Amino acid sequence: QVQLVESGGGVVQPGRSLRLSCAASGFIFSTYGMHWVRQAPGKGLEWVALIWYDGSNKYYVDSVKGRFTISRDNSNNTLYLQMNSLRAEDTAVYYCARESGELSLVLDYWGQGTLVTVSS
Amino acid sequence: SYELTQPPSVSVSPGQTARITCSGDALPRKYAYWYQQKSGQAPVVVIYDDSKRPSGIPERFSGSSSGTMATLTISGAQVEDEADYYCYSADSSGNHRVFGGGTKLTVL
Repeated sequence: QVQLVESGGGVVQPGRSLRLSCAASGFIFSTYGMHWVRQAPGKGLEWVALIWYDGSNKYYVDSVKGRFTISRDNSNNTLYLQMNSLRAEDTAVYYCARESGELSLVLDYWGQGTLVTVSS
Repeated sequence: SYELTQPPSVSVSPGQTARITCSGDALPRKYAYWYQQKSGQAPVVVIYDDSKRPSGIPERFSGSSSGTMATLTISGAQVEDEADYYCYSADSSGNHRVFGGGTKLTVL
């Protein structure tokens, strides 16, 4: 069965860095686009970043552009989010999600999320 | 940047029909997707490609789209349908994605 398991969250000071990981299993990881989505406490969902199946293209929400980098290791079935210059407003649960492809943009599988708290 | 607009809240009595709207300029050209999120849980897709229902989603959930507005309809809403609902789509370029602000559905 498809599984996505995020890790790497925690408490970090403003201005510091953190790297999130998402371990994928149960499907051919290298054939799917992958996303990061976040949710600040008590707030709505916010799309953060997309990486194509082969890593050739990456897209970001404006608020993280230049600070966050999405990447993937298809040989190890792992998705990453490198977060630099963290701000208080980056505090959120971060989810990784699979895009189903097949001409649809639906995010069909999600992890359970990892909490990132940016605080001094 | 591109935005999708949803009402903050919708309230219905059990058995009534709930309709949640989502407006966005690119919706005439891009599919809408609907996610249900219950407290403390990851989102679950209830409608994809405007009107398709994934397996395991009750038939009372349906979706439609016309012009710049997509609509999620829950016919005969149940208490267990109480949740936050988010629409999701892509901007005109197709490269960036966006969620609507979310709608809290109350069934009581």
